[in-house]
Amino acid sequence: SAVISQKPSRDICQRGTSLTIQCQVDSQVTMMFWYRQQPGQSLTLIATANQGSEATYESGFVIDKFPISRPNLTFSTLTVSNMSPEDSSIYLCSVAPPAGGAGGTQYFGPGTRLLVL
Amino acid sequence: EDQVTQSPEALRLQEGESSSLNCSYTVSGLRGLFWYRQDPGKGPEFLFTLYSAGEEKEKERLKATLTKKESFLHITAPKPEDSATYLCALSYSGAGSYQLTFGKGTKLSVIP
Repeated sequence: SAVISQKPSRDICQRGTSLTIQCQVDSQVTMMFWYRQQPGQSLTLIATANQGSEATYESGFVIDKFPISRPNLTFSTLTVSNMSPEDSSIYLCSVAPPAGGAGGTQYFGPGTRLLVL
Repeated sequence: EDQVTQSPEALRLQEGESSSLNCSYTVSGLRGLFWYRQDPGKGPEFLFTLYSAGEEKEKERLKATLTKKESFLHITAPKPEDSATYLCALSYSGAGSYQLTFGKGTKLSVIP
């Protein structure tokens, strides 16, 4: 399985500001994903980030609020823009190894714990 | 209606007391069912993938099984280090190709 790191591991931010979260993988992967885990809730997919194409956002999530970059096959960033307390959550990136295909296993990073005051 | 339901929400076991966690689902066209373990302050750690009814996977004290509408995670003679939240997730044909739909998890506490 891939080794995934995220930066920062946690942060406390003021409302109205933005935070960029980084995700680094130790091997090349085509498919990277960003999830949100709100307290007491299920993990929810925000968007799929493929290298060389625009990110695909799930219902309820928009590019202006969660812009994503995917400059190469080992790195991605998620920005949480114009934050409000409702954005307080754990943000997780995951990867799907190339051999997995649709329906294949995803491996998760350690998460970024965000608190917005 | 939730597409993935995990029960119980929380389970407290004595060390050595075997039990099972349940993951039931209402979707059709299952591509895969996944079990993860999540420790406090960490990301989900992959445990098992099941693809078809009747399939079973084992790892140490854990055994995952799959039927047409539910999966069980059996824990045999658990130890305190098995304490964690166990998450179930699905990939199915009605969702995006790589989208995983998660349940809310079962928080397991194993008491020495």
